[in-house]
Amino acid sequence: SYELTQPPSVSVSPGQTASITCYGDKLGDTYPCWFQQKAGQSPVLVMYEDNTRPSGIPERFSGSNSGNTATLTISGTQSMDEADYYCQAWDSSTVVFGGGTKLTVL
Amino acid sequence: QVQLLQSGAEVKKPGASVKVSCKASGYTFTNYDLNWVRQASGQGLEWMGWMNPNSGNTGYAQKFQGRVTITRNTSISTAYMELTSLKSEDTAVYYCARGNSGYYSKWFDPWGQGTLVTVSS
Repeated sequence: SYELTQPPSVSVSPGQTASITCYGDKLGDTYPCWFQQKAGQSPVLVMYEDNTRPSGIPERFSGSNSGNTATLTISGTQSMDEADYYCQAWDSSTVVFGGGTKLTVL
Repeated sequence: QVQLLQSGAEVKKPGASVKVSCKASGYTFTNYDLNWVRQASGQGLEWMGWMNPNSGNTGYAQKFQGRVTITRNTSISTAYMELTSLKSEDTAVYYCARGNSGYYSKWFDPWGQGTLVTVSS
């Protein structure tokens, strides 16, 4: 079955750039999306079709995808960005989520 | 605004069934797929299946085949997810999420508030 691999945790200082990666076989062909989930809340879409931001998502969020790796980048990270982040892709008609990355801003 | 409102928390015994509802508002219910995703405490997201509310067509993750059924009542813009033969491992928060289609792919937005299902004897 198809798998997406994310680092369990990423740490960043306030104001710096955070990069969260998602690895999957030929992921560059699948147009993944990204979700942010803060503690006790439902997931929120922050990026889709590789690098498109939904309305209301700050410009500091950006995405890229090439080869086997998709990356969610947060520029000028703020304390409010501290959350779990999940990548997601489709494999035929099945949805696959990455294991999630806990972003700590310290 | 687009909203998905789910039913309240449930406590079930092992072997029982649970049916969670998801009421859509702010858009035409039959124009978008509806997906179900669950999350055990401290764990990641796990997709369970989808439904086209217009046709009633469904698709389920292999893990849940035979135990999960997604249905809808279009007259009240509500989708349902029923999970049978519950085990303690099914204790989780269950989310519904609207599926959106683009030129290249599909994505989930928005999500419901989640429904906690606890399976305990």
